[in-house]
Amino acid sequence: NAGVTQTPKFQVLKTGQSMTLQCAQDMNHEYMSWYRQDPGMGLRLIHYSVGAGITDQGEVPNGYNVSRSTTEDFPLRLLSAAPSQTSVYFCASSLSTGLSSYEQYFGPGTRLTVT
Amino acid sequence: AQKITQTQPGMFVQEKEAVTLDCTYDTSDPSYGLFWYKQPSSGEMIFLIYQGSYDQQNATEGRYSLNFQKARKSANLVISASQLGDSAMYFCAMREATSGTYKYIFGTGTRLKVLA
Repeated sequence: NAGVTQTPKFQVLKTGQSMTLQCAQDMNHEYMSWYRQDPGMGLRLIHYSVGAGITDQGEVPNGYNVSRSTTEDFPLRLLSAAPSQTSVYFCASSLSTGLSSYEQYFGPGTRLTVT
Repeated sequence: AQKITQTQPGMFVQEKEAVTLDCTYDTSDPSYGLFWYKQPSSGEMIFLIYQGSYDQQNATEGRYSLNFQKARKSANLVISASQLGDSAMYFCAMREATSGTYKYIFGTGTRLKVLA
């Protein structure tokens, strides 16, 4: 199993550009999520999904869109990049949405810089 | 509302000594899970330990144990016999089981430095 994969690993965008961060998992996990990590702020939840076709907002959803057309993939779209979106982005997945005991598996992260 | 608080931005510990990293949480859900993750300087997130709200015993995994005090809503991580490789960021997280949100929420983290 590759686990959770994210592409790209690094990206530099200009203000106003759009892009999609890719996330895939091969563990047949129901639950997937996106976080951003900023110094001193921990990991903040952007969007999450409890299964194909079902997504919901987290703590900081503004400026980001998601969709979940398959169990495996959960892309994160930046609609119009802003310098405030400079961050490290993590995708994560876990086995079940119904139980609390399943830990999340994390991808390696994408370091995004918006100039 | 679901909330995790880690009040120690940074901690130092001498090699081979034990250290406690604090975590308090807030939830109205009677069923929830608490997690600790380690993030070394390389950046990956590593799951360490889990505690369920109905678990009677404190969770242990090798040198890691979770000091779960339900009435005080605290879930402190104890690392025994610290090693240099334990130097990292540590995050506490929580997931509510029955509220329907299924969200994992993280604290702001504690940076641990182990001194030789």
